[in-house]
Amino acid sequence: NAGVTQTPKFQVLKTGQSMTLQCAQDMNHEYMSWYRQDPGMGLRLIHYSVGAGITDQGEVPNGYNVSRSTTEDFPLRLLSAAPSQTSVYFCASSYAGTGGYEQYFGPGTRLTVT
Amino acid sequence: AQSVTQLDSQVPVFEEAPVELRCNYSSSVSVYLFWYVQYPNQGLQLLLKYLSGSTLVKSINGFEAEFNKSQTSFHLRKPSVHISDTAEYFCAVKSGGSYIPTFGRGTSLIVHP
Repeated sequence: NAGVTQTPKFQVLKTGQSMTLQCAQDMNHEYMSWYRQDPGMGLRLIHYSVGAGITDQGEVPNGYNVSRSTTEDFPLRLLSAAPSQTSVYFCASSYAGTGGYEQYFGPGTRLTVT
Repeated sequence: AQSVTQLDSQVPVFEEAPVELRCNYSSSVSVYLFWYVQYPNQGLQLLLKYLSGSTLVKSINGFEAEFNKSQTSFHLRKPSVHISDTAEYFCAVKSGGSYIPTFGRGTSLIVHP
């Protein structure tokens, strides 16, 4: 199993540009989530999904959109990038079984908005 | 809503010394507790977890954590640290009907030779 994969690893955007961060998992997990990690702020939840077709907002959803058309994929869209969105983004998946909702993380995408 | 407090943002320690990283949470209703570790320039990986049963849980690399329901704490300890333990450590709590755990802000463990 590849686990949770994220692309790209690095990205530089200009203010106002749009892009999609890709996330995929091959473990058939029900739940998927996106976090951003900033120095001193820990991990903050952006959006999450409890299954295909169902998404909800986390702590810091503004400026980001998500959709979940399949169990495997959970892309994060930045519609108009701003310097405040410079961060490291992590995707994670989990399931409600014996793992107790343990999160499996991808390697991250480092985004810089100039 | 659940909140998770990691009381120390940074913990410097010398190699072979003991260490404790503290974690407190707000809601004690039906919690699952986790510690994750993030080595430099990597993603997060699970270190250990408490779901039920024995309140003392251990990892394969010598860390342990104890669930204390009355104090709503899940502190992480290691009796003797190595340089390779230098990393960011995150406490996370899933409670009640939530689907996604809440994370603390992280504690940077810095092990000096």
